[in-house]
Amino acid sequence: KNEVEQSPQNLTAQEGEFITINCSYSVGISALHWLQQHPGGGIVSLFMLSSGKKKHGRLIATINIQEKHSSLHITASHPRDSAVYICAGDYGGSQGNLIFGKGTKLSVKP
Amino acid sequence: SQTIHQWPATLVQPVGSPLSLECTVEGTSNPNLYWYRQAAGRGLQLLFYSVGIGQISSEVPQNLSASRPQDRQFILSSKKLLLSDSGFYLCAWSVYREAFFGQGTRLTVV
Repeated sequence: KNEVEQSPQNLTAQEGEFITINCSYSVGISALHWLQQHPGGGIVSLFMLSSGKKKHGRLIATINIQEKHSSLHITASHPRDSAVYICAGDYGGSQGNLIFGKGTKLSVKP
Repeated sequence: SQTIHQWPATLVQPVGSPLSLECTVEGTSNPNLYWYRQAAGRGLQLLFYSVGIGQISSEVPQNLSASRPQDRQFILSSKKLLLSDSGFYLCAWSVYREAFFGQGTRLTVV
């Protein structure tokens, strides 16, 4: 069964802290997505990874294919980073099905 | 550029009323289209996906239906809403592992 597990479920940090959110997945995926969901519900795609590492501003995403694990890092966190972060595995195939983790709720305190 | 439009953003409907949520995409052709639902405190769950016009697959038995009358239009419907249909509904599309997400619709059935 294709599964995506995220940890931690909830995370509270002080402004400026370095944050790591982890994602592990079962079997093989063709790509892994990191998404950001704000309190209003809208979802923004942050990264799509199939190997290695990507960086955008203060956000860094890495993936280790052998260990079936990905991490999202936020450097110099800020209260505006407060959101739910979701990883989703693309199990490909003709359906291109995305399996979503349950999300990590991040709260950054000033 | 690729964009996705989903509306309405919020909706309050009485039990037993019909539902129609619409999603349209721009900047691509023949995408895979998806409807997801996020119940309170849970991850996103796949409801329907479509690989082409008139082709709909359902992942879970439910009170909802989906249709794809045009290549870039995906509609989620119900003839009679239940209280349990409340939640956050998200439209998404993917092509060649790139995935894009609508802003979502927060549905409250009262």
